[in-house]
Amino acid sequence: AQSVTQLGSHVSVSEGALVLLRCNYSSSVPPYLFWYVQYPNQGLQLLLKYTTGATLVKGINGFEAEFKKSETSFHLTKPSAHMSDAAEYFCAVGSPFLGNEKLTFGTGTRLTIIP
Amino acid sequence: DSGVTQTPKHLITATGQRVTLRCSPRSGDLSVYWYQQSLDQGLQFLIQYYNGEERAKGNILERFSAQQFPDLHSELNLSSLELGDSALYFCASSVAPGGRETQYFGPGTRLLVL
Repeated sequence: AQSVTQLGSHVSVSEGALVLLRCNYSSSVPPYLFWYVQYPNQGLQLLLKYTTGATLVKGINGFEAEFKKSETSFHLTKPSAHMSDAAEYFCAVGSPFLGNEKLTFGTGTRLTIIP
Repeated sequence: DSGVTQTPKHLITATGQRVTLRCSPRSGDLSVYWYQQSLDQGLQFLIQYYNGEERAKGNILERFSAQQFPDLHSELNLSSLELGDSALYFCASSVAPGGRETQYFGPGTRLLVL
């Protein structure tokens, strides 16, 4: 079974500071990894994903994540936080097994930006 | 705007009632997924359809059922509702099944059972 652990249910950073949201996964096979963002009262929007190839993945809004197999991690970073980044962020792992392509989500990290 | 539409946006009903949630996938997407988001359970996969056929089931209660119609829209039916069914229900769609495919999420239907 696949699982995702997001360390820190709440993270606060100052505007202009580095954003680091942590995600560790458990999977018996090479995983497909995703980061989604959820703004208040909205659905989930894909930030970025890793399937194969380059382990550093760039996404929308200046976010990027690096797949580290040895650490089973897929942490999300952004060099300089903006007020508009305040939202909830979900890491998810996609199943590589045909016939069941569900996403398994972490519990989410609420990001607060301090002016 | 993801291109996935869900209706209604909000639904308030009473225990024991039955409701139907509707989802229209993005144009061209054949696979539809339903997820439930609640404070205690987080985001949980319920069920997946591909081109009209059920493909996978997750933590879906027997009181819940779904289907995907020939025009590819999907409906999630929730019956004998309980207070604990109050949650945000998301529909997502992808072009094809496959764990690497991006799932595009709709805005959700917020269900409140009183």
